[in-house]
Amino acid sequence: AQKVTQAQTEISVVEKEDVTLDCVYETRDTTYYLFWYKQPPSGELVFLIRRNSFDEQNEISGRYSWNFQKSTSSFNFTITASQVVDSAVYFCAPGSGNTGKLIFGQGTTLQVKP
Amino acid sequence: GAGVSQSPRYKVAKRGQDVALRCDPISGHVSLFWYQQALGQGPEFLTYFQNEAQLDKSGLPSDRFFAERPEGSVSTLKIQRTQQEDSAVYLCASSRGTGQGYYEQYFGPGTRLTVT
Repeated sequence: AQKVTQAQTEISVVEKEDVTLDCVYETRDTTYYLFWYKQPPSGELVFLIRRNSFDEQNEISGRYSWNFQKSTSSFNFTITASQVVDSAVYFCAPGSGNTGKLIFGQGTTLQVKP
Repeated sequence: GAGVSQSPRYKVAKRGQDVALRCDPISGHVSLFWYQQALGQGPEFLTYFQNEAQLDKSGLPSDRFFAERPEGSVSTLKIQRTQQEDSAVYLCASSRGTGQGYYEQYFGPGTRLTVT
């Protein structure tokens, strides 16, 4: 079965610290897409980044960067110079099958203190 | 430029009542997904529409759950004879294309259903 493990339940950092959120996934698909979503206290899920399985080049977008390693099925997400507004629950989610339905982990709650 | 909207935002139902939850996707989006999110958990997939066709309903927990998207736009998730375990936030998402998740999904604010 397809599964996502986000081992960190909660992380607390002080503003301006860098923080990395870990994600390990299992999938039967040979090609797939990986996503990170953010769910702030308001509740609405916000798309952050997408990565495809056949391109392991890691990228940076503003304060966000990600490290995808297909060999270890890991897709880690880093926020540089964290801000209080980054406080939220973060979900890693691979897209599954022909429909691309998302398989979510339990999420990591990030608290950024001023 | 409106996003995905859902109504009602909050719904309280007595056990045994039927409820209907509405989703208005982003205009022109082909794909529409429903997810259920229990408190403190990640969302779980319920069902998927490509235009008006329901192509995947593998996540619907029982035959009390029914979804439709008759004109390929607005969708309704109906729950018959609600039970306490149905209490959750129901999320709707849409995306502009199809195919293995290439297109990101945009989520609505959700409907929080409480069954008493």
